[in-house]
Amino acid sequence: DTGVSQNPRHKITKRGQNVTFRCDPISEHNRLYWYRQTLGQGPEFLTYFQNEAQLEKSRLLSDRFSAERPKGSFSTLEIQRTEQGDSAMYLCASSSPGGTTTYEQYFGPGTRLTVT
Amino acid sequence: AQTVTQSQPEMSVQEAETVTLSCTYDTSESDYYLFWYKQPPSRQMILVIRQEAYKQQNATENRFSVNFQKAAKSFSLKISDSQLGDAAMYFCAYRSAGAQKLVFGQGTRLTINP
Repeated sequence: DTGVSQNPRHKITKRGQNVTFRCDPISEHNRLYWYRQTLGQGPEFLTYFQNEAQLEKSRLLSDRFSAERPKGSFSTLEIQRTEQGDSAMYLCASSSPGGTTTYEQYFGPGTRLTVT
Repeated sequence: AQTVTQSQPEMSVQEAETVTLSCTYDTSESDYYLFWYKQPPSRQMILVIRQEAYKQQNATENRFSVNFQKAAKSFSLKISDSQLGDAAMYFCAYRSAGAQKLVFGQGTRLTINP
């Protein structure tokens, strides 16, 4: 079990540019989540996948944001035309149904985005 | 919509002593889960302890225990015998039994004084 991995760990971009982040969940986990965490705040839910299906999206996920999980394994989160308000830590988590884990979510280290 | 409130932005405790972090939540549901997550500086978030709302018994995990008061919608975390490695941001989180997303509080920064 190698844990949830995210790449890149840090991204600095200029306002108006597009950025894409990648998340690789724990291999047997079929559920994948994206959260956003701004400085000094708790994470806020963005979206959730079960296998390749995107089942829930937050109102926070504006039209500039898109997430995919094409083969039910890794996921990408793209932000188009970045704004300074997009600066945050983007966290990915995964979980597996069944057993006694009550869908415990395991988090990755996050991608810190800075928009200048 | 459910909300989670952590009223203590910062707490500090002497090494080896006990500290309690507070959390309250607001929900109209009866079936849900509550969690405490730990986020060390520049490291990923890890689950400390979980509580199922239907269980009356308070959860414990080694030095960590909770005081779950369902009627009062309170879910505090007690850390006994505090260690330097306990220093981190602690987040209280709620999940409805019928949903997948976690709803987090604002966090409490815990400092351990040697």
